Amino acid sequence: DTEVTQTPKHLVMGMTNKKSLKCEQHMGHRAMYWYKQKAKKPPELMFVYSYEKLSINESVPSRFSPECPNSSLLNLHLHALQPEDSALYLCASSQDPPGVTSYNSPLHFGNGTRLTVT
Amino acid sequence: AQSVTQLDSQVPVFEEAPVELRCNYSSSVSVYLFWYVQYPNQGLQLLLKYLSGSTLVKGINGFEAEFNKSQTSFHLRKPSVHISDTAEYFCAVSAPNTGFQKLVFGTGTRLLVSP
Repeated sequence: DTEVTQTPKHLVMGMTNKKSLKCEQHMGHRAMYWYKQKAKKPPELMFVYSYEKLSINESVPSRFSPECPNSSLLNLHLHALQPEDSALYLCASSQDPPGVTSYNSPLHFGNGTRLTVT
Repeated sequence: AQSVTQLDSQVPVFEEAPVELRCNYSSSVSVYLFWYVQYPNQGLQLLLKYLSGSTLVKGINGFEAEFNKSQTSFHLRKPSVHISDTAEYFCAVSAPNTGFQKLVFGTGTRLLVSP
């Protein structure tokens, strides 16, 4: 069982749809992350939230819009996606936020949302 | 900047045999090193991490890794594998003094354990 919960597990959407991915953790972690993973590739960082504020945006297209309503929740709003955006979207959290040089807290990943854009 | 190289894209091995998954890193500063495992249709799970101290690190599921600074390596080992160890294994590095925490992953090694 994972301590980071992602919903839905699978999502199929058209290019004109608007959908949201949700992530929740109750470990009291102060940083939350969105990663994108294409098939047979390593995860790629998209966004990092630290203390509920966006601290890192890895030049992600605006059709992906993150939101952190509170310290336990992280959303990823999707609009006008392209078929090449089909991937596994992983949420993660860590005790220590970015910028903490005495980092010793690993990332805890959820099981991901498998997104297919048609 | 940091980078990670996993030279073996796939490692086939028989059940109960030992296995070593190779990882080499490149960095001009001190680093933290990690091994993650990803089972089919799941997220990543931390196997073990090296932050400082003893260079031999023991993790979950009987895995261990040894940090070798002179060879810039962090190879993962298990003395006897099980069928259930079949998965994708990612080596990752982060630099604690880069201003933010960013994991850089290797391209992964698929471990295939057969009976």
